[in-house]
Amino acid sequence: GEQVEQRPPHLSVREGDSAVITCTYTDPNSYYFFWYKQEPGASLQLLMKVFSSTEINEGQGFTVLLNKKDKRLSLNLTAAHPGDSAAYFCAVSVRTGGLSGKLTFGEGTQVTVIS
Amino acid sequence: EAAVTQSPRSKVAVTGGKVTLSCHQTNNHDYMYWYRQDTGHGLRLIHYSYVADSTEKGDIPDGYKASRPSQENFSLILELASLSQTAVYFCASSREQNTLYFGAGTRLSVL
Repeated sequence: GEQVEQRPPHLSVREGDSAVITCTYTDPNSYYFFWYKQEPGASLQLLMKVFSSTEINEGQGFTVLLNKKDKRLSLNLTAAHPGDSAAYFCAVSVRTGGLSGKLTFGEGTQVTVIS
Repeated sequence: EAAVTQSPRSKVAVTGGKVTLSCHQTNNHDYMYWYRQDTGHGLRLIHYSYVADSTEKGDIPDGYKASRPSQENFSLILELASLSQTAVYFCASSREQNTLYFGAGTRLSVL
């Protein structure tokens, strides 16, 4: 089945600097890709969903890049601020004839923004 | 406001006891899921359902049962709770292939 590797497991970044989290996956049928943010003691909140090949999506304070050729998904936090301190998870969904939503999650990256 | 509501938010159970975790969604979604999260790790799928009165096994179903009596409700049942089942449990709902919306989680401690 699908395997998702997320790196690094921990990341410290100075306020105003950028940081990159990367996930690699194995199943070539992977179709939907997600980044979730989890603040301490809280649930997971969707940051972004992408599904096109080699796509760059920009959100508020971050950029997501998907490279299907290399089976790589990355999240770039730009100009980090204290509110970015959280755990970040990538998740991958394989399209299997309409029955999906079975996300395979990476192990997570704990981001700490240092003032 | 559409939401996924889990109850209880936390629970302490004894080894060998029965535990039921409940989930209610008002998103009008067909799909519902139960994931567990162990400290410092990602989420792993236990059971899911895409229609009422039917459940499917996820990646780690052993030791868990699920029940979907209606579109809105999805329960996770631990018939004989064990220490290894101490974790945070998340319920989620989704449309067919779209984004999962998560509940706030249930912190379960088995002693």
